[in-house]
Amino acid sequence: KQEVTQIPAALSVPEGENLVLNCSFTDSAIYNLQWFRQDPGKGLTSLLLIQSSQREQTSGRLNASLDKSSGRSTLYIAASQPGDSATYLCAGVRGTDKLIFGTGTRLQVFP
Amino acid sequence: EPEVTQTPSHQVTQMGQEVILRCVPISNHLYFYWYRQILGQKVEFLVSFYNNEISEKSEIFDDQFSVERPDGSNFTLKIRSTKLEDSAMYFCASSGGGYNEQFFGPGTRLTVL
Repeated sequence: KQEVTQIPAALSVPEGENLVLNCSFTDSAIYNLQWFRQDPGKGLTSLLLIQSSQREQTSGRLNASLDKSSGRSTLYIAASQPGDSATYLCAGVRGTDKLIFGTGTRLQVFP
Repeated sequence: EPEVTQTPSHQVTQMGQEVILRCVPISNHLYFYWYRQILGQKVEFLVSFYNNEISEKSEIFDDQFSVERPDGSNFTLKIRSTKLEDSAMYFCASSGGGYNEQFFGPGTRLTVL
């Protein structure tokens, strides 16, 4: 069965901290990995897509890495801000381009 | 910035009724998807659609579900006879190419009574 797991499930940190969110997947057929942000009751905002030929991708204060051999991806958030508070989802791309979502990490950044 | 839009934002229906959820993907995208998220659970893949046909569907996407691209801009999900367990947030997504970044709409919250 395809499984994508995220650790930790929840995280509460003071503003300014650097954070690492972890994503692991058991399916070696996962091709790419995409990170999303979800605010309560809202849709999914794409943050980064790491394609299988890449090892990492950066956007502003966000950096995501992908290690297919170990089945892991990490999302690094530098200098966290209260506006970063949301649930972060990772999703592996497999098959005919379907996303397999993880369980999510609920992040709270307090001032 | 181009975005995926969905209507309605919230749909309430009686069990057994048909519902149609509508999506307008990003205009130059070719790949379209539906996902759903039951409250408190993971986002789940339902179906992918390319070149006017279904590319892949999940076990959830049974005979009660269908998708259609009736014109050059809309992409719809129909549930023929809704069940209580169909209550969820339904997300439409689109991408410009296979294995490209998928962009999601804001979702339609479906409540089946």
